[in-house]
Amino acid sequence: GENVEQHPSTLSVQEGDSAVIKCTYSDSASNYFPWYKQELGKGPQLIIDIRSNVGEKKDQRIAVTLNKTAKHFSLHITETQPEDSAVYFCAASKGTGGGNKLTFGTGTQLKVEL
Amino acid sequence: GAGVSQSPRYKVTKRGQDVALRCDPISGHVSLYWYRQALGQGPEFLTYFNYEAQQDKSGLPNDRFSAERPEGSISTLTIQRTEQRDSAMYRCASSLVYSFSPLGTEAFFGQGTRLTVV
Repeated sequence: GENVEQHPSTLSVQEGDSAVIKCTYSDSASNYFPWYKQELGKGPQLIIDIRSNVGEKKDQRIAVTLNKTAKHFSLHITETQPEDSAVYFCAASKGTGGGNKLTFGTGTQLKVEL
Repeated sequence: GAGVSQSPRYKVTKRGQDVALRCDPISGHVSLYWYRQALGQGPEFLTYFNYEAQQDKSGLPNDRFSAERPEGSISTLTIQRTEQRDSAMYRCASSLVYSFSPLGTEAFFGQGTRLTVV
């Protein structure tokens, strides 16, 4: 089955700096890669996703890149703010016809310091 | 409702008891998923439904775990003869469509049920 690895497990940045979180996946058939933000006491919330026919996607301060050949994808957050502090999870799924069965990474605790 | 609703939010049960966890998905959502999340880990897939049909139960740890969605809306995850290792956060998610569609496959998660087996 699919295996998703995520690094780093913790990341501390100064407000205004950029943060990068990296994930690798094992199943070349995976074609959908969402990123979730989980705040304390809440369920994971989708912040951005990318499909395998696209190499990069951007939404304001958040961007995701995908390298299908190397089977890795990354989340980039620019101009970080204290409210970006949370746990971030990457995930992968095959999407087509198989529902949206997601395999998650182990999470990155992001702390944005003032 | 406005989001995925799970009940109870917290459940403490004695080892050997059965528990039933409920998920009320977003109205109209076709797909419903159950995940289990251990502390400090990402959610781990358990099972999912399209409408009332259980499509994949490969993530259920053993036959003490079962799930149903009889009318294609509310779902119940049942754990029989609970063990301490069953203690975790159980999360439900739903999505509008189940196929790879331009309409999107975003899965919306509920706040979860924290199960503690003592």
